[in-house]
Amino acid sequence: SQQGEEDPQALSIQEGENATMNCSYKTSINNLQWYRQNSGRGLVHLILIRSNEREKHSGRLRVTLDTSKKSSSLLITASRAADTASYFCATDERGGNQFYFGTGTSLTVIP
Amino acid sequence: NAGVTQTPKFQVLKTGQSMTLQCAQDMNHEYMSWYRQDPGMGLRLIHYSVGAGITDQGEVPNGYNVSRSTTEDFPLRLLSAAPSQTSVYFCASSYSKRDQPQHFGDGTRLSIL
Repeated sequence: SQQGEEDPQALSIQEGENATMNCSYKTSINNLQWYRQNSGRGLVHLILIRSNEREKHSGRLRVTLDTSKKSSSLLITASRAADTASYFCATDERGGNQFYFGTGTSLTVIP
Repeated sequence: NAGVTQTPKFQVLKTGQSMTLQCAQDMNHEYMSWYRQDPGMGLRLIHYSVGAGITDQGEVPNGYNVSRSTTEDFPLRLLSAAPSQTSVYFCASSYSKRDQPQHFGDGTRLSIL
């Protein structure tokens, strides 16, 4: 399987704390994307980072990418109860037409 | 703008039955794809299409068929349902495969008895 893996599988934090989740992947990529999935809903795109970028910010989100280690991390700062969801990374395979999703991190933010 | 619409939202089938999951998008996106989501497995790509008339297999295509006769629609057919196909199915679309976010529907929850 070409699927990536996310770490940790589950994370529980207090509101206001920062949440960090990691993604490792296997192939050479054009870009890596992060998605959020609320319970019972489809995935919502959060941020895209290209293979020639090392860090990207969007609001309370900070994403890093290390292509030499084939890994990425998503940092959510000052978490809120509404951030409770599952988070997935997805890689855009270089030279191919497929996306590969990680197994996801389930984040619970306790009010 | 409806985005990506999937129907039905829920379905129960008996083993051996066939059915079609519908997916439509109104954003003029060229790239469309079907995923299945199983507990602990993340999303796995079933089939995808880079434009009308062009389809290709993903990671787990066996037991499924697709066609893309128009830009808007990308139906997924289960040929002979098996209990192993019990899953949540998601359709997604994007302007192109390259450097574009994917837009997801809300999924079809399918149970095969």
